[in-house]
Amino acid sequence: SAVISQKPSRDICQRGTSLTIQCQVDSQVTMMFWYRQQPGQSLTLIATANQGSEATYESGFVIDKFPISRPNLTFSTLTVSNMSPEDSSIYLCSVEVRVGEKLFFGSGTQLSVL
Amino acid sequence: AQKITQTQPGMFVQEKEAVTLDCTYDTSDPSYGLFWYKQPSSGEMIFLIYQGSYDQQNATEGRYSLNFQKARKSANLVISASQLGDSAMYFCAMREQRHYGQNFVFGPGTRLSVLP
Repeated sequence: SAVISQKPSRDICQRGTSLTIQCQVDSQVTMMFWYRQQPGQSLTLIATANQGSEATYESGFVIDKFPISRPNLTFSTLTVSNMSPEDSSIYLCSVEVRVGEKLFFGSGTQLSVL
Repeated sequence: AQKITQTQPGMFVQEKEAVTLDCTYDTSDPSYGLFWYKQPSSGEMIFLIYQGSYDQQNATEGRYSLNFQKARKSANLVISASQLGDSAMYFCAMREQRHYGQNFVFGPGTRLSVLP
């Protein structure tokens, strides 16, 4: 199993600013993912965070808007840059401890952009 | 193209009754995994049950069972003896292989309401 600490749990931000979300896992994991969940919607994958290299982004998401770091096997950050109200969502960090197993999720970051 | 389909945006069930939540999927991979997650109003994602594409038997976890029909590409979740605490969003998800690793795709979800 994995215990994931995601910070902050919520934030209210001004348009045009940036927010960095941290995800810390209590054990080394193979895969780390960042998801977005817009109000009343399902989860959409933003990117796969790769240890020591650039993240792999899904269609519709770009590095300039959502820069991601993963310096080691237990930690990752997602930055939401130059925010607009459309970025108001829940952002979820998730991990796969071993290949072929289930996803574990952090508690999420509720972001509101004014 | 949508890879996971959940045709029931909302479902109601009487307490202590059983309920089936539908999920169909689309993949050409011979090896894949199917998952169900529960998301209560608190927002946390809770893993419920897993079915591998090569598993011969349907998965069961307590009151949860998965009705896996591979030829029809369906993986319906059955909740027996519903409880008020089962009221939540339920997401079906599929693990698929990518060239850079694995990815999990989620369906649109079904909101289950358990009535007293």
